[in-house]
Amino acid sequence: GEDVEQSLFLSVREGDSSVINCTYTDSSSTYLYWYKQEPGAGLQLLTYIFSNMDMKQDQRLTVLLNKKDKHLSLRIADTQTGDSAIYFCAEVHNDYKLSFGAGTTVTVRA
Amino acid sequence: ETGVTQTPRHLVMGMTNKKSLKCEQHLGHNAMYWYKQSAKKPLELMFVYNFKEQTENNSVPSRFSPECPNSSHLFLHLHTLQPEDSALYLCASSPPRGGATGELFFGEGSRLTVL
Repeated sequence: GEDVEQSLFLSVREGDSSVINCTYTDSSSTYLYWYKQEPGAGLQLLTYIFSNMDMKQDQRLTVLLNKKDKHLSLRIADTQTGDSAIYFCAEVHNDYKLSFGAGTTVTVRA
Repeated sequence: ETGVTQTPRHLVMGMTNKKSLKCEQHLGHNAMYWYKQSAKKPLELMFVYNFKEQTENNSVPSRFSPECPNSSHLFLHLHTLQPEDSALYLCASSPPRGGATGELFFGEGSRLTVL
């Protein structure tokens, strides 16, 4: 497909791990991104990974990149209520423009 | 506070109205963008300006008219919109060519409802 694809919804219990998956389109993307959008706010960069890396860990966040399958995932350990948000996967193209997915709405239940 | 401010935050307009959305960035960036966010659809790039020059018009209908008077300000003029244009309109900025990592800095968005 031509779009960055990600599932639309994820429900997770507080304290569990969340895993959000994404399939991107451009094999030449130098960076892949995860943005977070909290209710009533714009998007903020959560983390990114350089294309020559397979994994990046940043505190509770783990990003995995499978370039062969053009698959990107974001794992949030010990999910908290403050992690409830929409998470967008994005890729950058050679013309420096970003393409985003539709966003995964993560709901954290007690 | 991201350094990108959008006004108004909410706007309701009829199909015959003319209104404008405003975006201002205080980050010293030279590239500014308009995105449209609709539920369950990928974020849609509408326009890109680099150093005040429009470098991208992503097949956007002419009822949306952008204006970039300087590198800090971006407007989206709206006229004779359709109900399907109701969405969250996001402004973003970045250094030229995305800077070192391609990161975009977003405003909080203008929620537009067309009746």
